[in-house]
Amino acid sequence: QVQLVESGGGVVQPGRSLRVSCEASGFIFRSSAMHWVRQAPGKGLEWVAVISYDGRDKYYADSVKGRYTVSRDNFKNTVYLQMNNLRAEDTAVYYCAKRGNSYGHIDHWGQGTLVTVSS
Amino acid sequence: FILTQPHSVLESPGKTVTISCTRSSGNIDYNYVQWYQQRPGSAPITVIYENTQRPSGVPDRFSGSIDVSSNSASLTISGLGTEDEADYYCQSYDSSTLHVVFGGGTKLTVL
Repeated sequence: QVQLVESGGGVVQPGRSLRVSCEASGFIFRSSAMHWVRQAPGKGLEWVAVISYDGRDKYYADSVKGRYTVSRDNFKNTVYLQMNNLRAEDTAVYYCAKRGNSYGHIDHWGQGTLVTVSS
Repeated sequence: FILTQPHSVLESPGKTVTISCTRSSGNIDYNYVQWYQQRPGSAPITVIYENTQRPSGVPDRFSGSIDVSSNSASLTISGLGTEDEADYYCQSYDSSTLHVVFGGGTKLTVL
């Protein structure tokens, strides 16, 4: 079955960087676009970024564009989210998610990793 | 564009509830709408995709629709049970930017 396991979350100071990872299994990873979605404490879901199956195309939410970079390693079945110049408002659970049948459709979600930006 | 959902809905066990999701600009039928259920402390799961499709394992008590006259999508849950208590999010995307858009979420209470 499809499994998405995020790691790398933690506490980081404002202005610093952090990279979170998501290891995938149970499906043909190299054929699937992957999303990152975040959820601030007590708030709703916010889409962060998407990367195409081959890593060539990447799109970002305006709130993170220029600070975050999504990448993938299809040999390691892993997608990454590099987060730079972090702000307090970036504090959230970060979910990686697999594209489903059509663009925008997410058919599987990881359990999330918590990133806390605080001094 | 933004997707607007009611903040909360309250309904009794065994009843039917409909949660709306209104698109602010652009036609609702331009891009597929998905619905996700998120129980407290858990990751979201898909309950409806591509406007009306139900993933395997999701009970047929869940159904989705779109209404072009009101430019909205709806999630209907019949035969409500306490297990349906959760936050529900609609979602679509912007064709021009390929940005994914989530609604603000609706908290469903069954009591």
